[in-house]
Amino acid sequence: LAKTTQPISMDSYEGQEVNITCSHNNIATNDYITWYQQFPSQGPRFIIQGYKTKVTNEVASLFIPADRKSSTLSLPRVSLSDTAVYYCLVGAILISSGSARQLTFGSGTQLTVLP
Amino acid sequence: EAQVTQNPRYLITVTGKKLTVTCSQNMNHEYMSWYRQDPGLGLRQIYYSMNVEVTDKGDVPEGYKVSRKEKRNFPLILESPSPNQTSLYFCASRGPDRRNYGYTFGSGTRLTIV
Repeated sequence: LAKTTQPISMDSYEGQEVNITCSHNNIATNDYITWYQQFPSQGPRFIIQGYKTKVTNEVASLFIPADRKSSTLSLPRVSLSDTAVYYCLVGAILISSGSARQLTFGSGTQLTVLP
Repeated sequence: EAQVTQNPRYLITVTGKKLTVTCSQNMNHEYMSWYRQDPGLGLRQIYYSMNVEVTDKGDVPEGYKVSRKEKRNFPLILESPSPNQTSLYFCASRGPDRRNYGYTFGSGTRLTIV
């Protein structure tokens, strides 16, 4: 399982773009990068997933450089409601690959959005 | 609405009294898993199931049991709960191809063993 490293916490202000970087130096060829958001006492919620280059959806963008040893979650124009813990996970994409027990969460990044 | 439902949401019980936390999903997902979340330790996997009658241990299985008799249900059983099992528990599920939607988590069960 690829180990991930994220900043423990970040502060931002409303309306700013926030970039959270995750390091995963031993990422494997079959591994995808997935980000989750978790509010206090709620289950994590899937945000975005990617393999390489850039992925964008309605809530975030994910930038992955060519060596795939890191990734950056970009949240445009954050609001107070974006205050949460953000987890970066790296693991194989298909359950049939034998890595079903993966999806190991690290400590995540506590993002605090200030008014 | 596609969801994972856990019950109860909160439970306070005594050491040694058997309890079951239920988990049900309505998305016809093959894969289901249980996690516990403790301050400073993040989410740790307890057990997972790749399909009906197929279960396996995660990282912290001691003191827990699971069963998967039906595709939609994956109960977590604590035969003899102890205070160190006081935690916030999450059930999660997903289909065979994680490419598009990732895992869906339940709302959590806050369990206190006194």
